[in-house]
Amino acid sequence: DAKTTQPNSMESNEEEPVHLPCNHSTISGTDYIHWYRQLPSQGPEYVIHGLTSNVNNRMASLAIAEDRKSSTLILHRATLRDAAVYYCILILGSNYQLIWGAGTKLIIKP
Amino acid sequence: DVKVTQSSRYLVKRTGEKVFLECVQDMDHENMFWYRQDPGLGLRLIYFSYDVKMKEKGDIPEGYSVSREKKERFSLILESASTNQTSMYLCASLLGGGQAPNEQYFGPGTRLTVT
Repeated sequence: DAKTTQPNSMESNEEEPVHLPCNHSTISGTDYIHWYRQLPSQGPEYVIHGLTSNVNNRMASLAIAEDRKSSTLILHRATLRDAAVYYCILILGSNYQLIWGAGTKLIIKP
Repeated sequence: DVKVTQSSRYLVKRTGEKVFLECVQDMDHENMFWYRQDPGLGLRLIYFSYDVKMKEKGDIPEGYSVSREKKERFSLILESASTNQTSMYLCASLLGGGQAPNEQYFGPGTRLTVT
C-alpha cells in the first residue's frame, strides 16, 4: 500500500516560514498528494492538494519533487493558530480513499 | 458555508449496548466516510459510501455496520459495543465526480467511551 512518512514533530517561530516534509516513495502515477491539518479538539480540515505541479492557495503552498517521491508543505508566515497536526496523504487514483499517516505535530513558538 | 454535523460530541455507553452514531452533511455530496482516530494510529477508515444504499468496507470494518438511506445522512452502528471501540469517531463527506479527487469535509468528531 502506498504510504507517507513524516517527522513526528517540528517547531517554528511565529511569523517565520515553515517547511513540512513528506516522503511518499511508493507513490504511483495516479495518486494525488493531499495535505490536511487537525487543530486540537477538531476534525481534520483540508489544506491543499496536487498531482505533479507546485500549487498555491490562500492557506499554503505545496512543492512536489520532480520524481513525486516527496513533497513539502510551506506555510509562508506561521501564526499561533497554525499549531496543529499536519497530515500528508495519498489519494489512490480515482477511488477517493485516503491513506493517513501519523502526521507531524507543528509547534509554534511566540 | 459547508457543514458536516455529528449527533454527539461525547457519548458514554456500556459494553454490549447497540450504539448509533449519526452524521449529516448539507452539501449534497455523494461520498461519505466513517473513521476512527486513536493516539499513535492516526485515522483509520471503517466504512465509506459512494451513493445512497451503497457501502464499502474500509480497513477496519469488524464490529461495525453502516446505513445510508438518504444522501445527506450516514450512520455508523456498533452492534454490541466493546471497550476496544472506545475512540474518537470522525465522519467526512466528499463531492466526488470529475477527474481529480477534491477535499473531504470533516465533522467535529464524537468521542465514544465504552465502559
